[in-house]
Amino acid sequence: EVQLVESGGGLVKPGGSLRLSCAASGFNFSNYNMNWVRQAPGKGLEWVSSISSSGSWIFYADSVKGRFTISRDNAKNSLYLQMNSLRDEDTAVYYCARGLAVAGNFDPWGQGTLVTVSS
Amino acid sequence: EIVLTQSPATLSLSPGERATLSCRASQSVSNSLAWYQHKPGQAPRLLIHDATNRATGIPARFSGSGSGTDFTLTISSLEPEDFAVYYCQHRSNWPPDFGGGTKVEI
Repeated sequence: EVQLVESGGGLVKPGGSLRLSCAASGFNFSNYNMNWVRQAPGKGLEWVSSISSSGSWIFYADSVKGRFTISRDNAKNSLYLQMNSLRDEDTAVYYCARGLAVAGNFDPWGQGTLVTVSS
Repeated sequence: EIVLTQSPATLSLSPGERATLSCRASQSVSNSLAWYQHKPGQAPRLLIHDATNRATGIPARFSGSGSGTDFTLTISSLEPEDFAVYYCQHRSNWPPDFGGGTKVEI
C-alpha cells in the first residue's frame, strides 16, 4: 500500500523553527517528485513547495521563500521541510503528497501534521 | 501567476442529485488541471487529472470536462460520502495554485 506519514508538527513561538518529516512506503520513492501543501484553519489548500525526484529542481511559494527549505533523502524514503522564522500565518496543517506529474496530480497525500505558531 | 476561481462557493444538494462544479483559470492552462476531494480530518484525494481522466479507484459518477480556461467537475448522482469540499489545481506553470474550493453540502 502506498503510504505517506508526516511528523514533526507542534507548537512553536513566532520566529522559531520546526522540521517536518514525511515517511514514504509502498512505492519507489526515488522515482517521484514530492510536494508540501498546507491548509490554514478555515482556509483552502495552499501549495508550499516541490522537489524533483533527484532533488535537481526545487520551487517555493512566495509566502515561504527564503524561510522554508525542502529536501529529501532517497536512501531513507523521506521528505523534509525545514521551517525557519515562523510567523502566525504559517499556522496550518501541513500535508506531503506524491506528484504523478511535474507540479501537479498529487496522489496520494498524507494525513497531515499540525503546526501552530503562537506566543 | 494563474488564478483559479471556483464557483459556486457552496452547493446545497440532496443525495441522488447531480452536482456541477466550475473552475475558471485567469489564463489558459491547456488540459493541465486536477480536481481533489477533501473531507474534514482526512487527506485530500485526487479525483481527476489532466482535466478529464479519473484517478485510480475513483467511481464513474465523477467526471471532468473542459480545456483552456473553463473546467467542470460533475458528480452524476450524489452519494452520502460525496459531501465534501472540492478543489481544482493547475500544473501549467509555477506556482501550481489551487482554487478557493467549492463546498458540496446536504
